Amino acid sequence: SAVISQKPSRDICQRGTSLTIQCQVDSQVTMMFWYRQQPGQSLTLIATANQGSEATYESGFVIDKFPISRPNLTFSTLTVSNMSPEDSSIYLCSVEDGTSGRYNEQFFGPGTRLTVL
Amino acid sequence: AQSVTQLDSQVPVFEEAPVELRCNYSSSVSVYLFWYVQYPNQGLQLLLKYLSGSTLVKGINGFEAEFNKSQTSFHLRKPSVHISDTAEYFCAVSDLNNNAGNMLTFGGGTRLMVKP
Repeated sequence: SAVISQKPSRDICQRGTSLTIQCQVDSQVTMMFWYRQQPGQSLTLIATANQGSEATYESGFVIDKFPISRPNLTFSTLTVSNMSPEDSSIYLCSVEDGTSGRYNEQFFGPGTRLTVL
Repeated sequence: AQSVTQLDSQVPVFEEAPVELRCNYSSSVSVYLFWYVQYPNQGLQLLLKYLSGSTLVKGINGFEAEFNKSQTSFHLRKPSVHISDTAEYFCAVSDLNNNAGNMLTFGGGTRLMVKP
């Protein structure tokens, strides 16, 4: 199974600033996803990131607010721009592992817990 | 579009008692179904999944779930819970016909609280 790490694990930021979250996978994967989990709530998909193409954003999320990079098959970043307290959430990346016959199984990173003051 | 409803936001239960966490979904197409567990301050871990075949699926930690197509349900069960099962449980679906990969739609989550 894919092993995913995220940096930072948590951060406290001031409003108006930006934070870039890194997601590193120990194997090459085609599909990477970014989710947001607001306090006490379920996960909401922000965008799908494929290597070599622009990220695909879900309704309610825009590239200017959440720019994503996917420079290779093992790495992605999500930036939370011009933050406000409403952006306080856990941000999780996940990958779809289709390389070992485990297609359609998503593996999740440990998450980045963001608090915006 | 698809949606997932977890009928209980919290389920308190005593240790060694059986438990059922309910999940219903709506979709106009066939779906894959998943249960994930999130322990405090951790990421999500896959408990089990239904892709095809037998409607009774067994997962890790003694959990199982049954896919019921006519009732569009995928309830999670465990015959005897432990204190260590205290966690948040998420039901999720993925559209078989989605060409953009395995995008998951999550339910609202059920907090399982196991009491001694």
